[in-house]
Amino acid sequence: AQSVSQHNHHVILSEAASLELGCNYSYGGTVNLFWYVQYPGQHLQLLLKYFSGDPLVKGIKGFEAEFIKSKFSFNLRKPSVQWSDTAEYFCAVNAYGNNRLAFGKGNQVVVIP
Amino acid sequence: GAGVSQTPSNKVTEKGKYVELRCDPISGHTALYWYRQSLGQGPEFLIYFQGTGAADDSGLPNDRFFAVRPEGSVSTLKIQRTERGDSAVYLCASSRRDSRDTGELFFGEGSRLTVL
Repeated sequence: AQSVSQHNHHVILSEAASLELGCNYSYGGTVNLFWYVQYPGQHLQLLLKYFSGDPLVKGIKGFEAEFIKSKFSFNLRKPSVQWSDTAEYFCAVNAYGNNRLAFGKGNQVVVIP
Repeated sequence: GAGVSQTPSNKVTEKGKYVELRCDPISGHTALYWYRQSLGQGPEFLIYFQGTGAADDSGLPNDRFFAVRPEGSVSTLKIQRTERGDSAVYLCASSRRDSRDTGELFFGEGSRLTVL
């Protein structure tokens, strides 16, 4: 079964700072990779996803993620965060052809104005 | 409705009681998922429906948990003889799972269950 590791559960940073959240997964086969975000008081929603092709994926709100197959990683980045990026971010993976998503524990990100 | 709807949003019950949680997916989505999120954890897979049938129920923790989707739309998660450890947010999600599928799950806001 696949598992997902996210480190630095709590991240506090100032507006305009750069953000990078690490995500590592354990599964040797072909995978689909996702980042979901949960803003305060809202439901989980998709930020970006990788299925195949260019390993650098761009999502909504200026976020991007890079799939590095050799490192089993799918790190999320944003060059300059805003106060509105305060949220919890979850990395998720499913094995190709499998319907169950495995989520990491999440990163609680607080952006100080 | 426009999104996945879950009811109730909050449920407080006593240990040993029976609980039902309802999910109304996005119209036209054939796939429906239940996840459970405990405090400080990411969502944990429980069960997946494709149409009316449970295609994968391997995430249900024990036989006190059961879910149905009799008409291929609304689903109900049923928990018998609740225990304090069942306290969590129960999330429902739906997706297309057809040729137009983008792989994205659309989540509801969840049902927060507290077992006293």
